[in-house]
Amino acid sequence: EAQVTQNPRYLITVTGKKLTVTCSQNMNHEYMSWYRQDPGLGLRQIYYSMNVEVTDKGDVPEGYKVSRKEKRNFPLILESPSPNQTSLYFCASSRGPPYTQYFGPGTRLTVL
Amino acid sequence: TQLLEQSPQFLSIQEGENLTVYCNSSSVFSSLQWYRQEPGEGPVLLVTVVTGGEVKKLKRLTFQFGDARKDSSLHITAAQPGDTGLYLCAGARGNEKLTFGTGTRLTIIP
Repeated sequence: EAQVTQNPRYLITVTGKKLTVTCSQNMNHEYMSWYRQDPGLGLRQIYYSMNVEVTDKGDVPEGYKVSRKEKRNFPLILESPSPNQTSLYFCASSRGPPYTQYFGPGTRLTVL
Repeated sequence: TQLLEQSPQFLSIQEGENLTVYCNSSSVFSSLQWYRQEPGEGPVLLVTVVTGGEVKKLKRLTFQFGDARKDSSLHITAAQPGDTGLYLCAGARGNEKLTFGTGTRLTIIP
């Protein structure tokens, strides 16, 4: 089954404690993205990757890092989380930027 | 700057009623996608429209792309509780990344 998986699904942490949210896709897609979803603001892109070892900033990259060492995996790293990063995060993959985005189930992050 | 505005932001109607939600922009898009997001899940693509004036039907859902390719609408006939969810439009300009709209949260009351 074609899918995008994310872990964990829920996470409560404290300010400053580094965390990683994993993302994996089995569709051999080259393009992967991370989004955050906040009420009234829709989906905003954090970072994206056009291929292995190629990553770039999206619209709201501050406070986040990513890596793309393998085609299927695209982890999101928060080195020092802050309360304003409390949000619902989605990983997505696609065959290219303007094409159908296949989303993971989401990770609800709360930073206290 | 939010390029795609959706209206209404919230809509709650009785089962069996018809409804229309809108996705508007001052920018021209080469294509426009509509997604539905159910609670606890990620958005899932419903349809893509690519030609100005194009109308696509998906059972009780009718999608239209504006003639000038700046706006789109989603019309649902005889709404059912299973239609409940967050509806997102997303526009593409050439090979650039998608721009997502602000979303319409739809609740169908049985």
